Amino acid sequence: QVQLVQSEPEVKRPGASVRVTCKASGYTFTLYSIAWVRQVPGEGLEWMGLISTYNGKTKFAQRFQDRVTLSADTSTTTAHMELRNLTSDDTAIYFCARVEDYSGNSDFDPWGQGTLVSVSS
Amino acid sequence: QSVLIQPPSASGTPGQRVTLSCSGTSSNIGTNTVNWYQQVPGTAPKLLIYSSNQRSSGVPDRFSASKSGTSASLAIRGLQSGDEADYYCGTWDDSLSAYVFGSGTKVTVL
Repeated sequence: QVQLVQSEPEVKRPGASVRVTCKASGYTFTLYSIAWVRQVPGEGLEWMGLISTYNGKTKFAQRFQDRVTLSADTSTTTAHMELRNLTSDDTAIYFCARVEDYSGNSDFDPWGQGTLVSVSS
Repeated sequence: QSVLIQPPSASGTPGQRVTLSCSGTSSNIGTNTVNWYQQVPGTAPKLLIYSSNQRSSGVPDRFSASKSGTSASLAIRGLQSGDEADYYCGTWDDSLSAYVFGSGTKVTVL
């Protein structure tokens, strides 16, 4: 079955970077893009960006453009999201999700289980 | 503040029908299809509706959705206790060149 499995929770200090991993299985990796969405505890969903696993092209929400790097390794069918210069406001659950259409006008299905990133001094 | 506007809460008794709204603009809902996601607390979101009115695989026909102009709606017929969750609408915004979500509606079964 189609599945996205994410890496374990992380605890980071302010100013550090975090890398979250999303391992895909059950489908042809390069036929779908991967989106990243975060959710601050108790709040709503926020789209961060999108990567085409076919050619590595990326799109970002403006507020994350300078701090996020998305990558995809086709040999291991794994996508990565790196967020730099962390602050306490980045404490959130980070989700990856499969996307059919790189244009963005597409649904997210399925989702990974989420990775909690906690930022604290 | 979310680009798509959803009421924060909705409720109903078992068996009732509940309708959730999602209001946008010409650059998002007015131009692109709408998706609906269900999130039970403590779990990842799950796709419920795609392309504005198509049920995702395994979603019961008690759930239906529509889009008109710059608004969309999700209806839950025959409300059940298992429907208690947060429901988010989402779509692409051509002006922002970003995917946008509504703020979410928490459905409570009384």
